[in-house]
Amino acid sequence: GAVVSQHPSWVICKSGTSVKIECRSLDFQATTMFWYRQFPKQSLMLMATSNEGSKATYEQGVEKDKFLINHASLTLSTLTVTSAHPEDSSFYICSARASGRETQYFGPGTRLLVL
Amino acid sequence: AQSVTQLDSQVPVFEEAPVELRCNYSSSVSVYLFWYVQYPNQGLQLLLKYLSGSTLVKGINGFEAEFNKSQTSFHLRKPSVHISDTAEYFCAVSGSGNTGKLIFGQGTTLQVKP
Repeated sequence: GAVVSQHPSWVICKSGTSVKIECRSLDFQATTMFWYRQFPKQSLMLMATSNEGSKATYEQGVEKDKFLINHASLTLSTLTVTSAHPEDSSFYICSARASGRETQYFGPGTRLLVL
Repeated sequence: AQSVTQLDSQVPVFEEAPVELRCNYSSSVSVYLFWYVQYPNQGLQLLLKYLSGSTLVKGINGFEAEFNKSQTSFHLRKPSVHISDTAEYFCAVSGSGNTGKLIFGQGTTLQVKP
């Protein structure tokens, strides 16, 4: 149980284009989903917290217009990197948590490369 | 505010030897503590967690950790490691009653040598 998937697993795009990453909880309802960014050899940096049906809460320094987050259902959250630039290249990981539970379950990650 | 410190960035160890990965935290509220493992180019897998109750927590793959409130520590241990345990290990803390945000340590690379 507690499986979280991400799609795509990797993506290469041209600078200026937008990229959408999906995060799904496959066997539980995720009232809260989290989006992280991880640079090579570093820890995870929380970008935003999204609760189903409401606006995401962004961490300080994360541009909400750059990283659009939608959590329209209890099993799906999406992160759209708008007008991507090479500095947005990174490993993006989502996690999901069920209502009333403390444990986050992580997706396998999406590697984004912007040329 | 909460913070997590993983005292060792790299831990080299020979196969079948015991290992301890250290984690200390600071928090002004009650905490929940987690250890996650990350294999190359993958997401994080939950190894074990402390929410309440017994301070000795057993997890998957033979790992265990002990919550020590007085020393604000949650060290991860395994009595005998395998080559397949080579990975990045993250300690994380969340505070009771908050939004559930996890604060991660910097990570410890466990390198198991034959």
